[in-house]
Amino acid sequence: DTGVSQDPRHKITKRGQNVTFRCDPISEHNRLYWYRQTLGQGPEFLTYFQNEAQLEKSRLLSDRFSAERPKGSFSTLEIQRTEQGDSAMYLCASSLDLGEQYFGPGTRLTVT
Amino acid sequence: AQKITQTQPGMFVQEKEAVTLDCTYDTSDPSYGLFWYKQPSSGEMIFLIYQGSYDQQNATEGRYSLNFQKARKSANLVISASQLGDSAMYFCAMSSDTGRRALTFGSGTRLQVQP
Repeated sequence: DTGVSQDPRHKITKRGQNVTFRCDPISEHNRLYWYRQTLGQGPEFLTYFQNEAQLEKSRLLSDRFSAERPKGSFSTLEIQRTEQGDSAMYLCASSLDLGEQYFGPGTRLTVT
Repeated sequence: AQKITQTQPGMFVQEKEAVTLDCTYDTSDPSYGLFWYKQPSSGEMIFLIYQGSYDQQNATEGRYSLNFQKARKSANLVISASQLGDSAMYFCAMSSDTGRRALTFGSGTRLQVQP
């Protein structure tokens, strides 16, 4: 399978715990995006990388959120001190330059 | 700022018939792209079709076509010969061509294809 992969697919955590998600993009894609999708809504942009550089962060990305893409390959998204409002599907997408974005299956986070 | 509006929360269509899903947009960017994605119950976003703002012809991809009316700022998706497997959420999205390609999505339309 050469598509975008995400791990884990599901995560249940207690409020206040830290969680980390991983995204592996399509191998030749230099751009990587993170989105968040809550129930009944379209995805909302969080942040994106071109190679290893984080070029833009949404206002949705509070200081409890941090994303990295070391060496321009896989990316991680960490949420510290999770809150119930963080419960959502976290989607990763990748693209080659300005081409179409291809999405992974998402990580569904439930904060109890 | 960019905004996408999808006014149809849900649509029904009979198998083998055509259906149009509405999308209107608003942007101040001179050059932009419009996209449609399908999201089945499994959750994965599947890219369907792309239309550039300066493309003269409407985009087509198999059974999907994008009815682009720039003056009206609309980018409706037409699905011909609907199949049961087309039942899913459909999202319209747009991005700017000025370097930032983060997508702005609408709220989606749930399509149900009936046998």
